[in-house]
Amino acid sequence: GQNIDQPTEMTATEGAIVQINCTYQTSGFNGLFWYQQHAGEAPTFLSYNVLDGLEEKGRFSSFLSRSKGYSYLLLKELQMKDSASYLCAVRKLTGGGNKLTFGTGTQLKVEL
Amino acid sequence: DVKVTQSSRYLVKRTGEKVFLECVQDMDHENMFWYRQDPGLGLRLIYFSYDVKMKEKGDIPEGYSVSREKKERFSLILESASTNQTSMYLCASSFGGDSYEQYFGPGTRLTVT
Repeated sequence: GQNIDQPTEMTATEGAIVQINCTYQTSGFNGLFWYQQHAGEAPTFLSYNVLDGLEEKGRFSSFLSRSKGYSYLLLKELQMKDSASYLCAVRKLTGGGNKLTFGTGTQLKVEL
Repeated sequence: DVKVTQSSRYLVKRTGEKVFLECVQDMDHENMFWYRQDPGLGLRLIYFSYDVKMKEKGDIPEGYSVSREKKERFSLILESASTNQTSMYLCASSFGGDSYEQYFGPGTRLTVT
C-alpha cells in the first residue's frame, strides 16, 4: 500500500514564506502532485514532480527527493487568499490510467 | 477551460435507495475518476476508468459501482445507499499519460438518512 504523511495544520503570516512537507512510502513511484483546495471548492492543480529537484511556478515551488520519499511545497509572499488545504498526491505505476493516492491535506491559515 | 460538471451539488437520499451520481467532462479526457472526501481521511479513490466501458476498482469500491458508456460521462451508482456513504463525492478527469493533472468537478454533498 501507500503511506502519505503531511502536517494537519499550519499557520503563517501574510507576506512570509511557508514550507509544507509531505513524506511518502510506496512501490512503483511515478510522480507527485500538489493540489490546493479552498473550503467548499474542488481541488485545483498546483504542481507536478517526477524527477528530483525543484520546480518553480511563480510564488509556488515544489521539491522532490525520490530517495528520501520526500516532497515539499514552498509558498512565498503569502497572501490571505492562500488560506486553503494543500493536498499531496502520489502517482503509482499501475496497469492503466493515472491513479493518485492523496494525503489527508494540510490546512494552511494565513494571518495578518 | 476544462470543465467537469456533476449533476447535483447537494443530494439527500434515504437508506436503501439507489443513487446515481453523474459526471460529465468536455475536454475529451481518456481518464475519469470518482473519489469521496471525508474529514480526517482525505480524498479516497472509489473507481476509475481509462476508456469507454473500462473500469478499475480504486481503494474503497465496496458498495459502489460505475458506468462509462460514453467518453465524456462517468456515473457512480450506490446500489443501496447506507448512512456510512454520507460524504462529499468528487469526480475528476485527465488525459492519459503520466504527467497529466486531474481536473475536479465541484463535488456532490450526499446525505443518506
